[in-house]
Amino acid sequence: GAGVSQSPRYKVAKRGQDVALRCDPISGHVSLFWYQQALGQGPEFLTYFQNEAQLDKSGLPSDRFFAERPEGSVSTLKIQRTQQEDSAVYLCASSLGTGTLPTYEQYFGPGTRLTVT
Amino acid sequence: QQQVKQSPQSLIVQKGGISIINCAYENTAFDYFPWYQQFPGKGPALLIAIRPDVSEKKEGRFTISFNKSAKQFSLHIMDSQPGDSATYFCAASTYNFNKFYFGSGTKLNVKP
Repeated sequence: GAGVSQSPRYKVAKRGQDVALRCDPISGHVSLFWYQQALGQGPEFLTYFQNEAQLDKSGLPSDRFFAERPEGSVSTLKIQRTQQEDSAVYLCASSLGTGTLPTYEQYFGPGTRLTVT
Repeated sequence: QQQVKQSPQSLIVQKGGISIINCAYENTAFDYFPWYQQFPGKGPALLIAIRPDVSEKKEGRFTISFNKSAKQFSLHIMDSQPGDSATYFCAASTYNFNKFYFGSGTKLNVKP
């Protein structure tokens, strides 16, 4: 594929359910980011991977949020015991992440819209 | 505390007019300032970006003006077109590009 893909595109979960959101970055991209975008707001940083290493998870809102990228390509964001405040669009972005600009430019996927009822 | 403050929240411009969106930051360690365009149902797409060693960067109808001393930067869209109607986000990152801070967005509506 030419770009970053995310699945599912839409997810409805009942409060208390666990969800898993998938991100397929651009092939060969070293860096991968997860963002949370509330309605009418800008993306907020959740976590950052360089290959399989999670180098920054300072944006994860609580210990119910967990992200992994075990083989340095596909990443999964897992939310346990979902709450209504978790309702948002979850964006994934990747970048080549080596050398100099413009290799650090981020390419975003279309996002997963999570609605917790 | 919001790291990047963006204004206005919404903007209506006539076709052919100039659209101006402003952002301000506090962290002097920020070293890279991109602007993103987002259409409904899509992820943000990089439009243009600037480093603080230059005061202006132009790409087609899009220009970033950067004022390092005031810690402000702005996006100018010349000859605005209805197809430019979208939400625009400014962002900032330090030199290691490991964490990006986004503004709250400006919804631009270009009237035909």
